[in-house]
Order: sequence, then C-alpha cells, then structure tokens
Amino acid sequence: SQKIEQNSEALNIQEGKTATLTCNYTNYSPAYLQWYRQDPGRGPVFLLLIRENEKEKRKERLKVTFDTTLKQSLFHITASQPADSATYLCARLNTGGFKTIFGAGTRLFVKA
Amino acid sequence: GAGVSQTPSNKVTEKGKYVELRCDPISGHTALYWYRQSLGQGPEFLIYFQGTGAADDSGLPNDRFFAVRPEGSVSTLKIQRTERGDSAVYLCASSLNQRETQYFGPGTRLLVL
Repeated sequence: SQKIEQNSEALNIQEGKTATLTCNYTNYSPAYLQWYRQDPGRGPVFLLLIRENEKEKRKERLKVTFDTTLKQSLFHITASQPADSATYLCARLNTGGFKTIFGAGTRLFVKA
Repeated sequence: GAGVSQTPSNKVTEKGKYVELRCDPISGHTALYWYRQSLGQGPEFLIYFQGTGAADDSGLPNDRFFAVRPEGSVSTLKIQRTERGDSAVYLCASSLNQRETQYFGPGTRLLVL
C-alpha cells in the first residue's frame, strides 16, 4: 500500500535556526509530493508542491527536496520564527492527481 | 474573498443517530474533496467529486457514509446510524480542477456519544 511516514516526535528548535522535517514514502514514487501547514483547530494550508522530476523547489524561506532513490522529501524552513510553530503535513498524489494520501504530520515548535 | 466554509462547526450526536455535514466550496471550483481527521493523524481521503459526480468514493469506510453534490457546488456528507468511532474532524476541500491546489475548510468536529 502507499504510505507516507513522518516523524511523530515533535521538533523543537531555536528561533533563527533552520528546521528540517522528513517525509518518507513507500511503494512507487508519487507524481507529486505536497507540504501543508496546519494550525490547531484549522484546516491544512497548502505550502509547496514538488514533482517527481524535480529535485528542489523554493518559496521564500521554504525549501523542499524530492529524492526518488531514498524515497524521501525534506522540508526546510530557514531563519525560523515562533510564528512558524505548527504541524506540517506531507502528502502524496499519484498520476491521477486527486486522491491525496497524507502523513500524520510533524509538530514544529520554534522557541524565541 | 470567501474561502471554503463548513457547517456546523461542531456537532454532538448520540450513537445511532443520522447526521449531515455541509460544505460550501469556493465559487467556481469544480473539484471537491471530503477527508476525515482523527486526533494526531493526517487527513484521510473519503471521496472526491468532479462536478456533480463522485469520481472516487473509495475512501468511504462503509455504506453508512454517503455524500452528494447535486448541483456541482455545495456538498453534503451524510452518516447514518452513527457510531462512537465516527467521532473525528471532517474536512472539506475544493480546487479549481483536479491536480490544482486544494483549499481546505475549517472542518466540522463530530462527537458521537
């Protein structure tokens, strides 16, 4: 079955440091990997999408990588701020592009 | 502009009762998705609509769950004979077309006593 695995332990980092979150997938490579942010009591908010044939994608302080050999995506937040504290979800989409399979998410705490 | 809205925001019901959860997608979005999220877990896909038709309902857990989107806009998720295990947050999302960015609503928190 197709699974998305994220580190269930919370990540605690100091403000200004780079946060790195890991997403591993099983089975064949998805066509797309997406990263979402979710705050308590709210729905997920889309951040970035990376395609299977892309190695890296950037958006402001965010960077996502896609390694099909390791079956892994890394999500980086540089110059982290307390406002970045949230749960970050990784999701895979297959070629059909509509059935999204989410990981359980990793909670990030950025301390001032 | 208006985002995806869901009503009610909270619903408490008794085991065995019938509930309806409503989703108003962003205007013009043809694709609509329902997910269920339990505490500490990511959203779990339930069903996807393209227009009025359910293109994929493979995530619906059993025949107590049913969803409709009769006019290709508002959607209703219906749960019959609710069970305590149905307690979760039910999320709705819409996108302009399939493979476009999904915009999520705030969810409906369902508690079955």
